Amino acid sequence: DQQVKQNSPSLSVQEGRISILNCDYTNSMFDYFLWYKKYPAEGPTFLISISSIKDKNEDGRFTVFLNKSAKHLSLHIVPSQPGDSAVYFCAASVSSSNTGKLIFGQGTTLQVKP
Amino acid sequence: ETGVTQTPRHLVMGMTNKKSLKCEQHLGHNAMYWYKQSAKKPLELMFVYNFKEQTENNSVPSRFSPECPNSSHLFLHLHTLQPEDSALYLCASSLRQGSEKLFFGSGTQLSVL
Repeated sequence: DQQVKQNSPSLSVQEGRISILNCDYTNSMFDYFLWYKKYPAEGPTFLISISSIKDKNEDGRFTVFLNKSAKHLSLHIVPSQPGDSAVYFCAASVSSSNTGKLIFGQGTTLQVKP
Repeated sequence: ETGVTQTPRHLVMGMTNKKSLKCEQHLGHNAMYWYKQSAKKPLELMFVYNFKEQTENNSVPSRFSPECPNSSHLFLHLHTLQPEDSALYLCASSLRQGSEKLFFGSGTQLSVL
């Protein structure tokens, strides 16, 4: 039973436009969410996170939105750049468990075309 | 050298071989993790060590044996693996267990023949 799902395996956008990557979760105990980016032959790198007490967190071109009632989060990249082409993973945790255990989605491959 | 370093980057082994994966972090972190990523599947937590003590074993088969001699080094000893164990094995560290911001190594791509 997959608790974190990224239903779009891939996404292609034009440079300069908005990229929207989506993630759904089923466990209502999750209260902390993260996005990681992964280039080929490299490990995932932390991108941005959000706590369940917020519904939006912004860092430069990257914004994460959280809709707790829908159990849905999204990552917006504006404007998209070719260097953003990578695999994006969303992850969730129950921070109060203090285990540091992250549950990852399958990833979405983003291609930004020049 | 900074960050999290994993060796080897690629490994091909037979089912009867014994091999070890190595991970080293230069971030001063106290928690280290092994994750597995099989093709088309999400990253899956295998083990967690916090201050050298194993705190999580996510029902991993005994043919995978972790070792954490100190907070900077983590090993994954492999023996009598199966072809379905072929995957990308990622090591990660964090300041402490419970800190969700993980720093990953580049991984070891393992093929079991």
